[in-house]
Amino acid sequence: DAGITQSPRHKVTETGTPVTLRCHQTENHRYMYWYRQDPGHGLRLIHYSYGVKDTDKGEVSDGYSVSRSKTEDFLLTLESATSSQTSVYFCAISEPQGTGGEAFFGQGTRLTVV
Amino acid sequence: GENVEQHPSTLSVQEGDSAVIKCTYSDSASNYFPWYKQELGKRPQLIIDIRSNVGEKKDQRIAVTLNKTAKHFSLHITETQPEDSAVYFCAAGFYTGTASKLTFGTGTRLQVTL
Repeated sequence: DAGITQSPRHKVTETGTPVTLRCHQTENHRYMYWYRQDPGHGLRLIHYSYGVKDTDKGEVSDGYSVSRSKTEDFLLTLESATSSQTSVYFCAISEPQGTGGEAFFGQGTRLTVV
Repeated sequence: GENVEQHPSTLSVQEGDSAVIKCTYSDSASNYFPWYKQELGKRPQLIIDIRSNVGEKKDQRIAVTLNKTAKHFSLHITETQPEDSAVYFCAAGFYTGTASKLTFGTGTRLQVTL
């Protein structure tokens, strides 16, 4: 498996509190992504990064922010968690080759907002 | 943006039969089409991918076909086995140098029965 780890693996938090999820890679891949997975919706892109300090929004970015200060770390922050953000969050990394590169996923973080 | 539709959402086959999952995409700029398998509680893992300059690709019991004119691609699994039971996701993506994004379908739950 690619060297990608997410922390924490599970978290329960209260509505209105800030939450930060961490993704750490040891592959030196340029691209990093945050997806959320919900039943019936598959994997939806929240934000992605194409380099240190270079980030862009995905299709479901409202309520989320990201930061990438080092190649190996990509942080996802929920500024004020809501129940609709209860989900499984996956980080992924890729190094594009030609027309596209394989995305490797982390183990996922199960977040419950109560 | 890209939109990927995947059918069927659930598929039940008997062991030894074939399974076919179909996806359509909307953005003609997409040129990379991976398929991921996700077992219960695990991370999605790439099982096969195809690029736009190729019409078909095989890897043992799995194959993928791509029709760029019709904007659809399919996953074929032959001689299905119980360990093939999982959720399968198709995706469509492209790489432009500063963007490398995958859009996923909503998934197909494949059940292989004895």
